[in-house]
Amino acid sequence: DIQMTQSPSSLSASVGDRVTITCRASDNIKTYLSWYQQKPGTAPNLLIYSVSTLQSGVPSRFIGSGSGTDFTLTISSLQPEDFATYYCQHSYNTPRTFGQGTKVEIK
Amino acid sequence: QVLLQESGPGLVKPSETLSLICTVSGGFTNNYHWNWIRQPAGGGLEWIGHIYTSGTTYYNPSLRSRITMSLDTAKNQFSLKLSSVTAADTAVYYCARDYYNFPFDYWGQGTLVTVSA
Repeated sequence: DIQMTQSPSSLSASVGDRVTITCRASDNIKTYLSWYQQKPGTAPNLLIYSVSTLQSGVPSRFIGSGSGTDFTLTISSLQPEDFATYYCQHSYNTPRTFGQGTKVEIK
Repeated sequence: QVLLQESGPGLVKPSETLSLICTVSGGFTNNYHWNWIRQPAGGGLEWIGHIYTSGTTYYNPSLRSRITMSLDTAKNQFSLKLSSVTAADTAVYYCARDYYNFPFDYWGQGTLVTVSA
């Protein structure tokens, strides 16, 4: 199984801050990497797929990058609605696996 | 617009079988994978397995011995059965759709299943 490791597990930031979350795969997953946002009591919501392609309706402040084993999600200017937990996930093969999540909290 | 909705008992006794159904509206079409994913309270996401529209299944090896998934195309539904449950199987269970190596683009709202006597 390919393991996905996110860091940090949590962070505190202020509105307007630039935030970066990293995700490392235990094997080469090429560009089969997606990011999801989850708010309490709701299902995860797809933000980015194929490393850097924004899902329809997702604001351009969300930026994905990377390839192979190392990936990054950047929020260029944190907005109040961005406080949530973020997960990376690979779709290179099965089983699909997720990172453990990064909780973005208000400073 | 594709909508997925989970249904099933919210309480299952230890050692019994958890059974859930996902009803799909707006796009139960060919070539998609229909997935089950779970999340314990305060925890991360675990992919359980998927069933392809042909009926082919792939299960997470960590759960494979206890899982059965099936498809009912006439009813636009797919289902999950997880046998011999324990408290560790208590979680919110989601159904979701993906396509080949693309991500999970549509999710159900999730249903909480508690394993308790």
